[in-house]
Amino acid sequence: DAKTTQPPSMDCAEGRAANLPCNHSTISGNEYVYWYRQIHSQGPQYIIHGLKNNETNEMASLIITEDRKSSTLILPHATLRDTAVYYCIVQNQGGKLIFGQGTELSVKP
Amino acid sequence: GAVVSQHPSWVICKSGTSVKIECRSLDFQATTMFWYRQFPKQSLMLMATSNEGSKATYEQGVEKDKFLINHASLTLSTLTVTSAHPEDSSFYICSARDPLAGIYEQYFGPGTRLTVT
Repeated sequence: DAKTTQPPSMDCAEGRAANLPCNHSTISGNEYVYWYRQIHSQGPQYIIHGLKNNETNEMASLIITEDRKSSTLILPHATLRDTAVYYCIVQNQGGKLIFGQGTELSVKP
Repeated sequence: GAVVSQHPSWVICKSGTSVKIECRSLDFQATTMFWYRQFPKQSLMLMATSNEGSKATYEQGVEKDKFLINHASLTLSTLTVTSAHPEDSSFYICSARDPLAGIYEQYFGPGTRLTVT
């Protein structure tokens, strides 16, 4: 399974963009990159996923480098409610989600 | 969006007893469900993959006789922790795959907090 590496924690000012990086240098050509987040004591929430192209939805944007070895999740205007642990996951062939340690994002007023 | 529920949301049981946790997909049929466990300050750990009508596939190191998984219908999977001990106290989370949303989409339940005394 492709491994992902994320910084353990990040801070962001409310209203500013939060850019969360993820390294996945061993990703295979047909493996997707998924982002989930988990607010304390809740189940993970799906954010976005992508294969090669950049993706955007109502929650966030996902920027994947051309060589696919890294990606960045962008929350364009972070709010206090975006404080959570963000997980970058490369989904394996069997469709399993193997969670790493994630990045604990703290949005501060 | 797809909704997954879990019941109960929290449970306290005595050591040596068994406890059953239900995971339901409310507005879609889930051919595959997954069970995770999460200890405090740690990430989610995948325990098993449950396919409707067949035996669950357990991850390495997970005792299948202790964590019984049944996926008898397309909307319900259950996890039974048998002969629970204090070290089984954890946050148990299920997820379900909606095949109509794409084979890789998974939706998570809110979790069940188990405390064994």
